[in-house]
Amino acid sequence: EPEVTQTPSHQVTQMGQEVILRCVPISNHLYFYWYRQILGQKVEFLVSFYNNEISEKSEIFDDQFSVERPDGSNFTLKIRSTKLEDSAMYFCASSRLGGENTEAFFGQGTRLTVV
Amino acid sequence: LAKTTQPISMDSYEGQEVNITCSHNNIATNDYITWYQQFPSQGPRFIIQGYKTKVTNEVASLFIPADRKSSTLSLPRVSLSDTAVYYCLVEVSGGYNKLIFGAGTRLAVHP
Repeated sequence: EPEVTQTPSHQVTQMGQEVILRCVPISNHLYFYWYRQILGQKVEFLVSFYNNEISEKSEIFDDQFSVERPDGSNFTLKIRSTKLEDSAMYFCASSRLGGENTEAFFGQGTRLTVV
Repeated sequence: LAKTTQPISMDSYEGQEVNITCSHNNIATNDYITWYQQFPSQGPRFIIQGYKTKVTNEVASLFIPADRKSSTLSLPRVSLSDTAVYYCLVEVSGGYNKLIFGAGTRLAVHP
């Protein structure tokens, strides 16, 4: 069964450092997403990406965040200058279609710890 | 956006049927109802989706009354491995590409 893969599974970084979280979406999917989940809290939408551009983003996704699809397979989330409050699980997801009646497939997540 | 309300937690025993109800009073005409499951330290996993009446797959059934203001996820004969958080989501129509997760229902299945 095809799956979304994320690397690394766990990343520890110092406050103020840049981090790049990597994702390989399912190959025939066209829509890509990043979500985050702070420990003990709900899953929060960050950004959706389609046709090589951001289609929607949340208030969390400020200027410190950026996404990129550098080649035909990878989808990355960059945090330029990490803060303690960026510590969370970050989930990448992809879907074949967008909008309603769409099943999104999530990766196993990257646990980011900012110290 | 349609807001969903579901119980914070539920307890059950192995072999029982579990029904989790979600209310979505402000659901729009074109919105679908989707349920996801999340195990600890894993990403959410799609379970089932429906628009009206009843939908069944190999994992669960979804019951949606005619007014669509609520829905019930039914898990037949749960096992310990069904212990997870279950989220009810209402898809936003019009091509929006995001899922809005609530707090979900934490289901604990006991031996």
